[in-house]
Amino acid sequence: DIVMTQTPLSLSVTPGQPASISCKSSQSLLHSDGKTYLYWYLQKPGQSPQLLIYEVSSRFSGVPDRFSGSGSGTDFTLKISRVEAEDVGVYYCMQGIHLRTFGQGTKVEIK
Amino acid sequence: EVQLVESGGGLVKPGGSLRLSCAASGFTFSSYSMNWVRQAPGKGLEWVSSISSSSSYIYYADSVKGRFTISRDNAKNSLYLQMNSLRAEDTAVYYCARDSPIVVLNYWGQGTLVTVSS
Repeated sequence: DIVMTQTPLSLSVTPGQPASISCKSSQSLLHSDGKTYLYWYLQKPGQSPQLLIYEVSSRFSGVPDRFSGSGSGTDFTLKISRVEAEDVGVYYCMQGIHLRTFGQGTKVEIK
Repeated sequence: EVQLVESGGGLVKPGGSLRLSCAASGFTFSSYSMNWVRQAPGKGLEWVSSISSSSSYIYYADSVKGRFTISRDNAKNSLYLQMNSLRAEDTAVYYCARDSPIVVLNYWGQGTLVTVSS
């Protein structure tokens, strides 16, 4: 089974400052079709999860451009260029190359 | 507008059974793969099961294999999860989520709570 490991597990950020979350997979997420099946989700307090990023770096419809994803193989990063109050919640990475596995989640709060 | 509405959650004793439903609307249900994802109280997300659009491909997490059965009725625009031999560790909010050809889990329902307790 593929294990997804996120760091840090919590993050306190001043509004307007950047934030970064790392996600590492135990196996490469690069498929033979050339795509890398790494996704990022945000679960805001009291809400269902919502998709932010798919295939490492593609923003889902309606996701602000302050969110960006990068990485390859087994190492990935989600960056928020300027954190806003509405960005608080728990961020999860997920692999989709072999079934689906989520990371433990990273809780982002505002200072 | 894509809508996914789960139902069927509740309190059940260990060893008991429960059937969850997910009513879909706002899209052509028969064209999309569907999933169940759960979240134990205060914990992270755990993928449970997936089913392809025509039910040809079905997958389960090891934690539920042999106990849970995913199914769908495309004529009724509905997704189901039959849960048998329930354990305390199955206590969670169960979400129904839709895939798309390019992205996975891009639409989620609001969830239904399953509590397994004596």
